[in-house]
Amino acid sequence: GQQLNQSPQSMFIQEGEDVSMNCTSSSIFNTWLWYKQDPGEGPVLLIALYKAGELTSNGRLTAQFGITRKDSFLNISASIPSDVGIYFCAGQMGGNEKLTFGTGTRLTIIP
Amino acid sequence: GAGVSQSPSNKVTEKGKDVELRCDPISGHTALYWYRQSLGQGLEFLIYFQGNSAPDKSGLPSDRFSAERTGGSVSTLTIQRTQQEDSAVYLCASSLLSSGSPDTQYFGPGTRLTVL
Repeated sequence: GQQLNQSPQSMFIQEGEDVSMNCTSSSIFNTWLWYKQDPGEGPVLLIALYKAGELTSNGRLTAQFGITRKDSFLNISASIPSDVGIYFCAGQMGGNEKLTFGTGTRLTIIP
Repeated sequence: GAGVSQSPSNKVTEKGKDVELRCDPISGHTALYWYRQSLGQGLEFLIYFQGNSAPDKSGLPSDRFSAERTGGSVSTLTIQRTQQEDSAVYLCASSLLSSGSPDTQYFGPGTRLTVL
């Protein structure tokens, strides 16, 4: 099945650093979502974006819905140890439709 | 509990055997989704149930895969004659689908399937 292009594939950062990751698609989506997955768990929704050009924040997280509706980025400011995990973007055409996921970004914090 | 639950959490089977994976969605959620996550990959859509409508089976990789949802609640994903490439984590999600509100899919912890 289709997967969205997500980069970087992995990141190794020090605590306190800012993080940026992005996701691109060859097709348009009407909703962009960012999920975080911890080991042995299902993905948990972090931020949802519903309008092209929208910039939304959730605490230290900020995400934007690209104006072309084909891309999105997620920023994490002042990273902390609990930010470690795998981050996935997901696109959705309609509110009750399947999610198309990105390939994931694995975030590791170096002591 | 209040979240999506899945069982078993782990399943090891021999090639050629059939397996059944179970999903209990959040009570009251009308939509239920199955996804598959291969090692190191993102999630891949398999099938979607919405209320009494015919399910969207467009993501099922072969006719060895099937799913049903009984009584609009519990769902079972069945894989017949399992192959080694079926090894993955199978994730279930449910959502409320209330009109006028954004729809959020809540995921269960998944079933890790290993086919030897």
